[in-house]
Amino acid sequence: GAVVSQHPSRVICKSGTSVKIECRSLDFQATTMFWYRQFPKQSLMLMATSNEGSKATYEQGVEKDKFLINHASLTLSTLTVTSAHPEDSSFYICSARGLVGSHEQYFGPGTRLTVT
Amino acid sequence: ELKVEQNPLFLSMQEGKNYTIYCNYSTTSDRLYWYRQDPGKSLESLFVLLSNGAVKQEGRLMASLDTKARLSTLHITAAVHDLSATYFCAVDTLNRDDKIIFGKGTRLHILP
Repeated sequence: GAVVSQHPSRVICKSGTSVKIECRSLDFQATTMFWYRQFPKQSLMLMATSNEGSKATYEQGVEKDKFLINHASLTLSTLTVTSAHPEDSSFYICSARGLVGSHEQYFGPGTRLTVT
Repeated sequence: ELKVEQNPLFLSMQEGKNYTIYCNYSTTSDRLYWYRQDPGKSLESLFVLLSNGAVKQEGRLMASLDTKARLSTLHITAAVHDLSATYFCAVDTLNRDDKIIFGKGTRLHILP
């Protein structure tokens, strides 16, 4: 149980285009989902927290107009990187929390974004 | 603001040796997590520690939590090459936002 998927696993896009990444909880309802970014050899940096049906809460320094997060259902959250630039190239990881009685976050497999 | 510090950040060790990774955090929390990350992969949950004095073991890894000292340790016994990875600790903020804060990670390289 507690499986989180992400799609796509890898994506290459050109500067100026937008990319959407999906995060799904496959066997549980996720009341809260988190989006992280990880640069090579660095730790995970929390970008935003999203709760189903409400606006995401962004961390300081994260541009909400650039990284659009939608948590439309209890099993799906999406991150759209708008007008992508090479500096947005990174490993994006989502996690989900929601199992009754569990404090854990369950992590997706990640999405490698390369902007050329 | 909760801060999480791990040390060492890099560790190279011989197979068969024992070693400990330390995780200190700055404010009160009684939920601490240890994760493993292999290159190019996402996080794998290793341990969830939910109370003072908690100790959990899985194979050659053992994790403990001292909430009074705000310290968790990940102990490696008789290391083997397969344990080479980056290990992260993360601490729950215990706020309503449910955020967890990660340490910088310890890159563990075990020499055969």
